[in-house]
Amino acid sequence: ETGVTQTPRHLVMGMTNKKSLKCEQHLGHNAMYWYKQSAKKPLELMFVYSLEERVENNSVPSRFSPECPNSSHLFLHLHTLQPEDSALYLCASSQADRSTDTQYFGPGTRLTVL
Amino acid sequence: AQSVTQLDSHVSVSEGTPVLLRCNYSSSYSPSLFWYVQHPNKGLQLLLKYTSAATLVKGINGFEAEFKKSETSFHLTKPSAHMSDAAEYFCVVRMDTGRRALTFGSGTRLQVQP
Repeated sequence: ETGVTQTPRHLVMGMTNKKSLKCEQHLGHNAMYWYKQSAKKPLELMFVYSLEERVENNSVPSRFSPECPNSSHLFLHLHTLQPEDSALYLCASSQADRSTDTQYFGPGTRLTVL
Repeated sequence: AQSVTQLDSHVSVSEGTPVLLRCNYSSSYSPSLFWYVQHPNKGLQLLLKYTSAATLVKGINGFEAEFKKSETSFHLTKPSAHMSDAAEYFCVVRMDTGRRALTFGSGTRLQVQP
């Protein structure tokens, strides 16, 4: 359970605030992911980083800005969010050069936008 | 395109009775298939994965799943439910095309009655 950690676990912010979510993986992986889990909807992939380069961006609004400074850390910078952005944000990591890489997830950050 | 259908949004069983959570997928390529479990306010934990080896896959906590290509199914089973199995279960598919994106089912909430 401590392979992928996320901070904070809970965050409440106003629509004009700027905040950041942090993810750290201790598994020696080289790929990291951000997912959004909203009520009543399947998990949605937001961003993929492989070897610290963004390789996928699934049409995510620009008010979400990812940053991957090294293979162990991933951030999601948030600004001028909307109430519909309230969700559980999950980070995952994997070893992407294996043919059957498996993603391991953190506990998530529960975000509430007022 | 790939997709995953979890046929039941809710399943309720009595403690000690068998569990069956159903999953069907559609795929144009050879898939990797996963089952993840999410306990309340927790992240996703990998239960088991199928990666084109044995079609019957054993996972943690007594769960197993069988890959049936002819039926495009990957149902999750457990012979005897325990109270601690109450959680949400996600069937997940990843196409072996080089992309690392996972496609999640909508989830099945398992209730275990005493």
